[in-house]
Amino acid sequence: DGGITQSPKYLFRKEGQNVTLSCEQNLNHDAMYWYRQDPGQGLRLIYYSQIVNDFQKGDIAEGYSVSREKKESFPLTVTSAQKNPTAFYLCASTSLSEGAHEQYFGPGTRLTVT
Amino acid sequence: QKEVEQNSGPLSVPEGAIASLNCTYSDRGSQSFFWYRQYSGKSPELIMFIYSNGDKEDGRFTAQLNKASQYVSLLIRDSQPSDSATYLCAVKTSYDKVIFGPGTSLSVIP
Repeated sequence: DGGITQSPKYLFRKEGQNVTLSCEQNLNHDAMYWYRQDPGQGLRLIYYSQIVNDFQKGDIAEGYSVSREKKESFPLTVTSAQKNPTAFYLCASTSLSEGAHEQYFGPGTRLTVT
Repeated sequence: QKEVEQNSGPLSVPEGAIASLNCTYSDRGSQSFFWYRQYSGKSPELIMFIYSNGDKEDGRFTAQLNKASQYVSLLIRDSQPSDSATYLCAVKTSYDKVIFGPGTSLSVIP
């Protein structure tokens, strides 16, 4: 089955620790995105990548880092510099070669930092 | 002015009625428009997209786009309790960025 997977579904960390969220897609999509969603809020773009070994900051990149070493994978690291890391993190991907460039989402990772 | 705005919720409709969800956007050159449904605790799921003026129908869902008024809407006919969710409008702008609206919460009352 084609799709986007994120792991883990739930993640608990102590303040001051870095944590890495996994995102993998087997849709052969070019672009991948990381969003953050806080309760009752819309989606805010953290980072995105349109090609391997290249990525751009979104609206709220401070305290986060990413890598894109493979087309299928776009892991997000939440560093200790992120002041309010507790949130629902969503990974998405899209094909840039056809269609309206609609984004498809993974199931999300809910991160709680105490 | 926010780039993408949606009608404030929560919106409540009785089962079987038509639910109307509205979205306005600020970038006149925006190219594509998307509607997502998000159940509580889940990730957004694409319902449909539209990029030409007029209506686009898919089952009980109809998207309507009016670029002159910078307005896109989603109509849900014969609303069911299973349609209760938050609906997100997303707009692909002229500078190739997708902006999401804050969402409208819909509750369909049996």
